Amino acid sequence: QSVLTQPPSVSAAPGQKVTISCSGSSSNIGSNYVSWYQQLPGTAPKLLIYENNKRPSGIPDRFSGSKSGTSATLGITGLQTGDEADYYCGTWDNSLSAGVFGTGTKVTVL
Amino acid sequence: EVQLVESGGNLVQPGGSLRLSCTASGFTFSHYSIYWVRQAPGKGLEWISYISDDSVSVIYYADSVKGRFTISKDNAKTSVYLQMNSLRAEDTAVYYCARVRGASLTSCYLDYWGQGTLVTVSS
Repeated sequence: QSVLTQPPSVSAAPGQKVTISCSGSSSNIGSNYVSWYQQLPGTAPKLLIYENNKRPSGIPDRFSGSKSGTSATLGITGLQTGDEADYYCGTWDNSLSAGVFGTGTKVTVL
Repeated sequence: EVQLVESGGNLVQPGGSLRLSCTASGFTFSHYSIYWVRQAPGKGLEWISYISDDSVSVIYYADSVKGRFTISKDNAKTSVYLQMNSLRAEDTAVYYCARVRGASLTSCYLDYWGQGTLVTVSS
């Protein structure tokens, strides 16, 4: 099972904001950078955020990332129906010598 | 354009073997490390394996596949392979390869993913 914990689901109305938490430990989030991925239904994951808070080119600034201690957070503002997807955090775990992903969060736009 | 294309997925019986390929194009393949990630039906992402970009080829495996799966890289063919042996029902998943960016594993992220290939282990 995953060592990074996310809420199973979050929801909000169009235009509103949601935040997704990713909780880990000192051997993963506490020591390393976090990235976030969006997976639209039936498609491969796509990079949203890297190195805790950086956005690749083409990712709108509605998406933001932050990290504090052993937790990270993804924020989505101005929620759109196209944002309905599963979102995963990811990092490296030094103790496991393994890549790790969060349990995943489904975002629903009401 | 950066592309990663997985192939080799199939239906295989428990205990059987399969070799997946991940063929890259659009970038200097030898300069990049690669992850394999899988996703069981209706489940989340699971990291499977990592192979580094350098000639030493540092390799890591998830405990769930260690001793059964082998990752390898052929820079001349711009491909990464995942040899899967002793397959079990719980290995049923879509398998993705992804390009690794970042100065080290502590800062790594996956900037390009393939479309995935389905492996079904069933009798």
